[in-house]
Amino acid sequence: DQQVKQNSPSLSVQEGRISILNCDYTNSMFDYFLWYKKYPAEGPTFLISISSIKDKNEDGRFTVFLNKSAKHLSLHIVPSQPGDSAVYFCAANPSGTYKYIFGTGTRLKVLA
Amino acid sequence: SQTIHQWPATLVQPVGSPLSLECTVEGTSNPNLYWYRQAAGRGLQLLFYSVGIGQISSEVPQNLSASRPQDRQFILSSKKLLLSDSGFYLCAWRKRTGGIDGYTFGSGTRLTVV
Repeated sequence: DQQVKQNSPSLSVQEGRISILNCDYTNSMFDYFLWYKKYPAEGPTFLISISSIKDKNEDGRFTVFLNKSAKHLSLHIVPSQPGDSAVYFCAANPSGTYKYIFGTGTRLKVLA
Repeated sequence: SQTIHQWPATLVQPVGSPLSLECTVEGTSNPNLYWYRQAAGRGLQLLFYSVGIGQISSEVPQNLSASRPQDRQFILSSKKLLLSDSGFYLCAWRKRTGGIDGYTFGSGTRLTVV
């Protein structure tokens, strides 16, 4: 049972345009969400987070939006750069637990 | 400074052989530690986590085991590897700084079972 879903396995975007990566979850007890970026053969690196008490968090070119009623979050990258090409994972923390549950990832390719 | 080390970077092992992957953290005490696996074409699957010495929680029953012999050491093991154990193994440390709660991952181990 996949509690965190990234339904788009891949996405291609032209350099300079906006990249939108989506993530859906099923558990209303998730209270903290993360986005990670992963290059091949490397560990994931933290990008941005959002608490369930907020609906938006922004950090430079990266913005995460949270829609609790729809159980949906999205990561916007503006403007997209070739160096953003990587696999992006969303992760959610069930309230009161020690662990994060990850989605299956979306491979972003930014075309120069 | 706070760092996490994981080794080896790559490993090729025959079916039926044992496995030991090691992860250590520096610059912190009593960390929550995690083992994840990324199999080909799949997401990050939580295998084990530990909130203290000798305390191991298993998320997915399988051919692997974990141990926490010291506060900053987390070991992933197997007595006999299967082909399905191939994947990219990641150790992580849960870190809370500056109001942000999340993982710092090690650099990963690519395990190929042949």
